[in-house]
Amino acid sequence: RKEVEQDPGPFNVPEGATVAFNCTYSNSASQSFFWYRQDCRKEPKLLMSVYSSGNEDGRFTAQLNRASQYISLLIRDSKLSDSATYLCVVIQESNFGNEKLTFGTGTRLTIIP
Amino acid sequence: NAGVTQTPKFRILKIGQSMTLQCTQDMNHNYMYWYRQDPGMGLKLIYYSVGAGITDKGEVPNGYNVSRSTTEDFPLRLELAAPSQTSVYFCASSYPLEGVNSNQPQHFGDGTRLSIL
Repeated sequence: RKEVEQDPGPFNVPEGATVAFNCTYSNSASQSFFWYRQDCRKEPKLLMSVYSSGNEDGRFTAQLNRASQYISLLIRDSKLSDSATYLCVVIQESNFGNEKLTFGTGTRLTIIP
Repeated sequence: NAGVTQTPKFRILKIGQSMTLQCTQDMNHNYMYWYRQDPGMGLKLIYYSVGAGITDKGEVPNGYNVSRSTTEDFPLRLELAAPSQTSVYFCASSYPLEGVNSNQPQHFGDGTRLSIL
């Protein structure tokens, strides 16, 4: 099983719709979680952190389910500008005491006018 | 404050040539990373460094070398370029993730698009 798995998509969603996708992780000791956004031919940029209690930033809601070992990202009232690839990031402490950061392969989202 | 700066932005190499991808950061981050991203794929970690003088292999280190003589610089070297190394290369940096800015785990450079022909 991969350490971090995402449905690659593509998700083709009409403008204004709500879309959600998940990211599963295999290591139950994982400590921190993030969603990054990557536009075509650009570098990844942090979208939001994922807190244990869930958190919201405008139209975006991130949730963590430790029991089932997944994080989710929900986008409401989707805009054309939301079209991008969304990468989940999982951080765990490695055997050497350093943090190990693992990226998912990303979920491609296209918002259709 | 320039963040993470990568050079060059684009490069075409012939098979067997060598080159160094440069990465520098001015945020005094301890940790630096090199990733490669193939078309339609996620990021794969090549090498990383937790501080000057310390480097470790990532998931796909073969065919690459790194050095970390200063906190600011983390160059990536290809000794004998192969077509399989055609990719986009991203450098990133961060504080230790439990540190001051754990809500911003990694800052990325703009990437270097490398083609081996």
